[in-house]
Amino acid sequence: QKEVEQNSGPLSVPEGAIASLNCTYSDRGSQSFFWYRQYSGKSPELIMFIYSNGDKEDGRFTAQLNKASQYVSLLIRDSQPSDSATYLCAEGGSQGNLIFGKGTKLSVKP
Amino acid sequence: GAVVSQHPSWVICKSGTSVKIECRSLDFQATTMFWYRQFPKQSLMLMATSNEGSKATYEQGVEKDKFLINHASLTLSTLTVTSAHPEDSSFYICSARDGARIYEQYFGPGTRLTVT
Repeated sequence: QKEVEQNSGPLSVPEGAIASLNCTYSDRGSQSFFWYRQYSGKSPELIMFIYSNGDKEDGRFTAQLNKASQYVSLLIRDSQPSDSATYLCAEGGSQGNLIFGKGTKLSVKP
Repeated sequence: GAVVSQHPSWVICKSGTSVKIECRSLDFQATTMFWYRQFPKQSLMLMATSNEGSKATYEQGVEKDKFLINHASLTLSTLTVTSAHPEDSSFYICSARDGARIYEQYFGPGTRLTVT
């Protein structure tokens, strides 16, 4: 059974710093990975997805995938207080569903 | 683009009653919709996968007779919680996959269900 592991945090970084969020997955055959942001009481918002080894950048966000190590990470540059949220890592399931990790709570201090 | 709506956003019902939650894709056709449940301080757990025009596929441990899912059109899926009990109180979130963009799944805003 597929599993996604994340450190629950909280991860605290000062405003303007780089926040690094990490995730590991169990199924070596998994192809697609997603990072979602979830504010308290709200549903998840897609930040980005990645399915090729290496880095993918979108604005202040960079996703990194290392299939050999079964490791996915998300870097947030120039962190802002508005980035404070829970970040969910997910992998794509066989039915197109998502298998979520428990999320890492990020706190960006002004 | 890619907006998914849910209705209602919150509902309080008495134990033993049924509640219907609607999930709509507003600007795309969703061949597949997913229903998730999230308890406080926990992650989202998939309940069922719904394909338009066919029966939903339920995850292990989810009672299909209690959580009725109907996906009658490419833009609408409904989840009915029958004979609700307090332990069904949770945050129910649907998501929809745009058939043209298979790597992207869009979430509705969620429905907070409280059963008293």
